[in-house]
Amino acid sequence: ILNVEQSPQSLHVQEGDSTNFTCSFPSSNFYALHWYRWETAKSPEALFVMTLNGDEKKKGRISATLNTKEGYSYLYIKGSQPEDSATYLCARANRDDKIIFGKGTRLHILP
Amino acid sequence: ETGVTQTPRHLVMGMTNKKSLKCEQHLGHNAMYWYKQSAKKPLELMFVYSLEERVENNSVPSRFSPECPNSSHLFLHLHTLQPEDSALYLCASSLGTRKETQYFGPGTRLLVL
Repeated sequence: ILNVEQSPQSLHVQEGDSTNFTCSFPSSNFYALHWYRWETAKSPEALFVMTLNGDEKKKGRISATLNTKEGYSYLYIKGSQPEDSATYLCARANRDDKIIFGKGTRLHILP
Repeated sequence: ETGVTQTPRHLVMGMTNKKSLKCEQHLGHNAMYWYKQSAKKPLELMFVYSLEERVENNSVPSRFSPECPNSSHLFLHLHTLQPEDSALYLCASSLGTRKETQYFGPGTRLLVL
């Protein structure tokens, strides 16, 4: 994998359901993996930064895991709420101080 | 509020116009960035400034000219743009390098006619 890939591109989830999506990235020369949340008409907002293989971070109903050996991260949302509707971006930073963003997963929560 | 502001929020310009985008951060950060977000593409890093020095220019056409007069302000000067330059331009800042969390402004939506 040369780029940062996010899947799915778009996702519709019923309110109250839990969901997860994936960020895949090159595992070589890895330094950090960032997750951002981007609501329409607002600024992207940092959720998590993870650096170590096996890292798990949690913020309320949102959590993320990191596997640097195989090059993927999962973002989980438990009990989706309407305010979770946003685009979720991941970005990989390498040791040479380069950062590459994925295209994002657009999450729609259905009432 | 992220502590990063951008003006204007919306801009329409002709191909012969000259305009500037402004970014200001109130976070005491040392690094500032310009990104371009085009439809259905990932965020593209355009320029990086660290301590007011340009440290990266990602093959951006010369019709985009950045300026960083101090660590709190970043400008993007635009001249003779093309319609394909229409996009959302985001500014961000971070305490140090790009390995660290970036704080984004709300962006300027640019339309080139």
